[in-house]
Amino acid sequence: GQNIDQPTEMTATEGAIVQINCTYQTSGFNGLFWYQQHAGEAPTFLSYNVLDGLEEKGRFSSFLSRSKGYSYLLLKELQMKDSASYLCAGMDSNYQLIWGAGTKLIIKP
Amino acid sequence: GAVVSQHPSWVICKSGTSVKIECRSLDFQATTMFWYRQFPKQSLMLMATSNEGSKATYEQGVEKDKFLINHASLTLSTLTVTSAHPEDSSFYICSARDHTEYYEQYFGPGTRLTVT
Repeated sequence: GQNIDQPTEMTATEGAIVQINCTYQTSGFNGLFWYQQHAGEAPTFLSYNVLDGLEEKGRFSSFLSRSKGYSYLLLKELQMKDSASYLCAGMDSNYQLIWGAGTKLIIKP
Repeated sequence: GAVVSQHPSWVICKSGTSVKIECRSLDFQATTMFWYRQFPKQSLMLMATSNEGSKATYEQGVEKDKFLINHASLTLSTLTVTSAHPEDSSFYICSARDHTEYYEQYFGPGTRLTVT
């Protein structure tokens, strides 16, 4: 079956760094997505990885290892506005997104 | 670019009535649109996938006669919740995929439905 696993909740301190892990199993693989979702709002796109390695985009970076079925989202210089849920999603061979349950990130001052 | 709108952004209706939610791609052609439902503190649940000009493909457990989906043009898909009940109260989100890109989905802002 297809499955996406990520931690339910994480807590970090403002200004620090946090890594949110995601493991995936999909029927075929066409990439791994990370989305940010604030409460009551729709998800917004953060990153897309289809090849192994690290993709850096400002304070956010995303890493993929296809052989391990593993990805992480790295957030640096955390700000209070980064408090949100972070959704990991794998795209299968039919270009369908398989969603994780999301990781709620709590930022403390 | 790549903007998706939804209307209405929130709606309150009485039990037994029907509600229509519109999803529009404003600056691109969307051959495929997706409808999701999200209950509080839960992740997105895909309800159905609709391709322009053809019948929607519903996920297991989603009643196609209750959640009517129409994708009549490359920029518009509608979801009609028929005979709504309080348990249908949820956050409904659509997303659209540009026909030139096979990987990215652009999300609408969502519609909060409350059935009383």
